[in-house]
Amino acid sequence: DAMVIQNPRYQVTQFGKPVTLSCSQTLNHNVMYWYQQKSSQAPKLLFHYYDKDFNNEADTPDNFQSRRPNTSFCFLDIRSPGLGDAAMYLCATSRGLTFTDTQYFGPGTRLTVL
Amino acid sequence: QKEVEQDPGPLSVPEGAIVSLNCTYSNSAFQYFMWYRQYSRKGPELLMYTYSSGNKEDGRFTAQVDKSSKYISLFIRDSQPSDSATYLCAFTYGGTSYGKLTFGQGTILTVHP
Repeated sequence: DAMVIQNPRYQVTQFGKPVTLSCSQTLNHNVMYWYQQKSSQAPKLLFHYYDKDFNNEADTPDNFQSRRPNTSFCFLDIRSPGLGDAAMYLCATSRGLTFTDTQYFGPGTRLTVL
Repeated sequence: QKEVEQDPGPLSVPEGAIVSLNCTYSNSAFQYFMWYRQYSRKGPELLMYTYSSGNKEDGRFTAQVDKSSKYISLFIRDSQPSDSATYLCAFTYGGTSYGKLTFGQGTILTVHP
């Protein structure tokens, strides 16, 4: 009964080699988020989609892109991963954008950059 | 100054102990206060939320907010080994602002039998 699914759970890539992380949801939620969580640090919001409307955080590097082809799926593309991009990437969903719309997180994808 | 400060611990307590987890924040615009629990190799899950100063209880958990001091706490009574996890405080804005969460870095808690 997994609600937010992330694939793969572990991803190893080489410095500069593009990588795509996947998130899918069975909740039919309108909003999907991507967070970056580095070791022993707070999760940091990269961007979110409300339906097809993309909202980028001001300090998210251009190296990070996202696609949402339909309600259920959202992808995180890292165009040229650097060593500093090694982190846990968390996908979350919510019904809406108010604080009462609980964010449900997936288990995360741990990215290693060699 | 960081928007949110949370003692990373780690915190190790015996089963049955009362646990106190704390965060301070500097952004007066934060109106809603949450605690998330994150088990190893899992994503965070919402534990409690509140929007007013004072206490809110849910079973063994009590969330406390002091807006004047910009300080929030989570108390766990009769702690259990199953409470072993990382606890993250989180904050968001009120009004029409979208649901961006600002997290603390998390406190690692271990409850040993």
